Amino acid sequence: SAVISQKPSRDICQRGTSLTIQCQVDSQVTMMFWYRQQPGQSLTLIATANQGSEATYESGFVIDKFPISRPNLTFSTLTVSNMSPEDSSIYLCSVWTGRNGYTFGSGTRLTVV
Amino acid sequence: EDKVVQSPLSLVVHEGDTVTLNCSYEVTNFRSLLWYKQEKKAPTFLFMLTSSGIEKKSGRLSSILDKKELFSILNITATQTGDSAVYLCAVAKTRDDKIIFGKGTRLHILP
Repeated sequence: SAVISQKPSRDICQRGTSLTIQCQVDSQVTMMFWYRQQPGQSLTLIATANQGSEATYESGFVIDKFPISRPNLTFSTLTVSNMSPEDSSIYLCSVWTGRNGYTFGSGTRLTVV
Repeated sequence: EDKVVQSPLSLVVHEGDTVTLNCSYEVTNFRSLLWYKQEKKAPTFLFMLTSSGIEKKSGRLSSILDKKELFSILNITATQTGDSAVYLCAVAKTRDDKIIFGKGTRLHILP
C-alpha cells in the first residue's frame, strides 16, 4: 500500500497567519483527500484534490480559507489561511490504496493561539 | 443524507474482556465499509468489508458486514491495554471515492 509523508507533524501558530501542510505519496495517485478532525470529533472531509484541476470542496469549506495545490500525481499541499483558534485541529491527507482501503498521512496537529 | 452511526460512543472494560463495536449506515452508492484504529493522529487500517456474511479476522480482531440490515460489527477478544484507542467506522462510496466517517467509539481497557 502507499506510504504518505506529511509535514509538519505539529505547529503552534498565531491567529491571522497561514500554515501550509504538505503530503508526499510514494506512488502516483489520481485523487488525494484532505480531512480535518476537530478535538473530540470524527474526520470531516475538507476537499478532494485532483491533479491538473481545481480541488472540489465540501459544504462549509471554501477555497479562500483552505487553498489546495496538486502540482503532480504524488504531491499536494493544504493551506489554512487567516487562522483563528477554531482552526485548531488535526489535519490529515489520504489516498485510496485499493485492497487496504484508504491510507492516511501521519497528520498535522495545529494549535492556533 | 448519508450517515454512519457508531455505538457505543465510549466503552470502558477490563483487560481480557471481549468487546463488540457497532456501526450502522445509510449511504447511497455503497462500495465498502472500513474499520480504522486511531491512537494518536493517523487512523490505521483494520478491515475493509464489501460482501455480506464473510467474516474478516486479524489476530484477536474480527469484523462482519450485513448489507441487508446495513450494519457491521467489530469484535475484539481478550482485550489488552494496547487496544485502547478510538475505533472509526467509515463507508466508501462508488461514485466519487469519498468516505463518510462515523463519530467513533472511544475504547479504554483497564489493566
